[in-house]
Amino acid sequence: DAKTTQPNSMESNEEEPVHLPCNHSTISGTDYIHWYRQLPSQGPEYVIHGLTSNVNNRMASLAIAEDRKSSTLILHRATLRDAAVYYCILRAAYSGAGSYQLTFGKGTKLSVIP
Amino acid sequence: EAGVTQFPSHSVIEKGQTVTLRCDPISGHDNLYWYRRVMGKEIKFLLHFVKESKQDESGMPNNRFLAERTGGTYSTLKVQPAELEDSGVYFCASSRDAGTYNEQFFGPGTRLTVL
Repeated sequence: DAKTTQPNSMESNEEEPVHLPCNHSTISGTDYIHWYRQLPSQGPEYVIHGLTSNVNNRMASLAIAEDRKSSTLILHRATLRDAAVYYCILRAAYSGAGSYQLTFGKGTKLSVIP
Repeated sequence: EAGVTQFPSHSVIEKGQTVTLRCDPISGHDNLYWYRRVMGKEIKFLLHFVKESKQDESGMPNNRFLAERTGGTYSTLKVQPAELEDSGVYFCASSRDAGTYNEQFFGPGTRLTVL
């Protein structure tokens, strides 16, 4: 799997936007970019995913660079509940053994300041 | 819709003992995955079931670990005998389909402590 690089930690003030970056310079043309997050004492949860175009859902937005070598997860208004570790994960778009697992890195620990 | 449930939430055992973890996936989800995070390291994949069949067990660390999913519903992960390095949090996840587009729904995890 292609590797992703994220900052170890970030801080945000409550109710302000947060931009969480992810570098994936070795991404292949068929890799999807997925984001999961893990709230304290919980299992990871899906946030959003995309391939080339920017994506929006009720939780967040995903901005993907034109060359796809980086992406940014955008939380429009951070709340205290958004304090979590955010993981940027690449998933290959092919079938076969070994292709369905999620490969977690260290992620970015987001702290939200009241 | 009930989420993925795991039992027990915590387990403390002594080295050499046996422990069995249970995972109940979301109803209708054919795909079930086990992951774990040990010693403050990253979350690592263990194995993937499609219904009752093991699709991918490439992440299983050694033969002390045995996963089953009889009848394609709940799954168990047995560690026998447990070693100190098995301490960590074991997560189960499920998904309706296994493709790249399908999100995996995770349970809250079982925290295993081996003394």
